[in-house]
Amino acid sequence: TQLLEQSPQFLSIQEGENLTVYCNSSSVFSSLQWYRQEPGEGPVLLVTVVTGGEVKKLKRLTFQFGDARKDSSLHITAAQPGDTGLYLCAGEDDNFNKFYFGSGTKLNVKP
Amino acid sequence: GAGVSQSPRYKVTKRGQDVALRCDPISGHVSLYWYRQALGQGPEFLTYFNYEAQQDKSGLPNDRFSAERPEGSISTLTIQRTEQRDSAMYRCASSFSLAGGTANYGYTFGSGTRLTVV
Repeated sequence: TQLLEQSPQFLSIQEGENLTVYCNSSSVFSSLQWYRQEPGEGPVLLVTVVTGGEVKKLKRLTFQFGDARKDSSLHITAAQPGDTGLYLCAGEDDNFNKFYFGSGTKLNVKP
Repeated sequence: GAGVSQSPRYKVTKRGQDVALRCDPISGHVSLYWYRQALGQGPEFLTYFNYEAQQDKSGLPNDRFSAERPEGSISTLTIQRTEQRDSAMYRCASSFSLAGGTANYGYTFGSGTRLTVV
């Protein structure tokens, strides 16, 4: 059972375009994390958001946690081929024990 | 070590055989997690440890799956009487923070063990 739904599942864009991917749930999470995964490798943590409404920026990436702590978005400005990968969101359960992962958004940025 | 190390990287086994997957976490990381990941999907939680104590094994699919971390460092995930549906990428992750605490620094994942049951 996927507690977190990510959309779109696949996204193919040209270098320089902007994009937003979404992570939605009916559950409230204590915190939410975004990971990026390249083929053959494990997911790599990008950011953790904790407070409802929180916005964090990491160079060209902007992460937002929904006010109700049920959803999140990742916006990439001026995408580059190096941004290609599987983007995963993960919500922390309310016992602060473990994270549940979404099914991911597979991003391909074409040069 | 510098990262989370998993071995073997690839394992092909015949249906009905037992397999043991090893995870060596980052030195000093107190919590250790096992996840299973299908191709193109997000990781699915199996179990986790704080130090040597197994805190939650609710994600283990059935009693053929077990895990241990006897000295609070290296962990082994064992699958008995393997079945074809067990084929997947098994990922281990460790974290500096104590699972169950209020601060979580995120996971560092290993490169995984690709298990194929034939």
